[in-house]
Amino acid sequence: NAGVMQNPRHLVRRRGQEARLRCSPMKGHSHVYWYRQLPEEGLKFMVYLQKENIIDESGMPKERFSAEFPKEGPSILRIQQVVRGDSAAYFCGTESFRSTDTQYFGPGTRLTVL
Amino acid sequence: SQQGEEDPQALSIQEGENATMNCSYKTSINNLQWYRQNSGRGLVHLILIRSNEREKHSGRLRVTLDTSKKSSSLLITASRAADTASYFCATYFTQGGSEKLVFGKGTKLTVNP
Repeated sequence: NAGVMQNPRHLVRRRGQEARLRCSPMKGHSHVYWYRQLPEEGLKFMVYLQKENIIDESGMPKERFSAEFPKEGPSILRIQQVVRGDSAAYFCGTESFRSTDTQYFGPGTRLTVL
Repeated sequence: SQQGEEDPQALSIQEGENATMNCSYKTSINNLQWYRQNSGRGLVHLILIRSNEREKHSGRLRVTLDTSKKSSSLLITASRAADTASYFCATYFTQGGSEKLVFGKGTKLTVNP
């Protein structure tokens, strides 16, 4: 986990509000993956980004969810008009373009929708 | 869908015993990885085994891979209370031009002191 930062660690939102989750990769890592984890489940892939590009968003719901990884700053996973079913832990995994088969994970953001 | 499935779902042992967890998957892979997750925390990468490897060791960890059976096992020897965690296998493969990790549901290991 060394170096991958996620914030906030805990986020509480009411139904209909927006949630913004941030992921700062390890130094030198330019690939970011977002995952969602429900209780007692494994991580489910959502989206894969490189700097300024979405490479694969096949695991992300088409509506209300969006992700970006700008040239400067952290990657952001944005959930609009949250619903109770969005409550989960969201993790990002990052990797270097030199070593693309080992991901390092952040501590996660636990989203609770009231 | 491509997914690693671990068994058992839960495992409880005494300190000093060995713990074995198994993982099965469905299609061809580039490699298979094992991760540990302590309760409420992020994932820690334990070990990676490539599709052309059969066995790998790292400290008290031993991983095997049988591509003909599409299965892997993780053995933790001489377990400690600190090994209590959930363990996930993840298969790394290429789909639709991008590479991705697909996780199983995990094995919850409890090591009793």
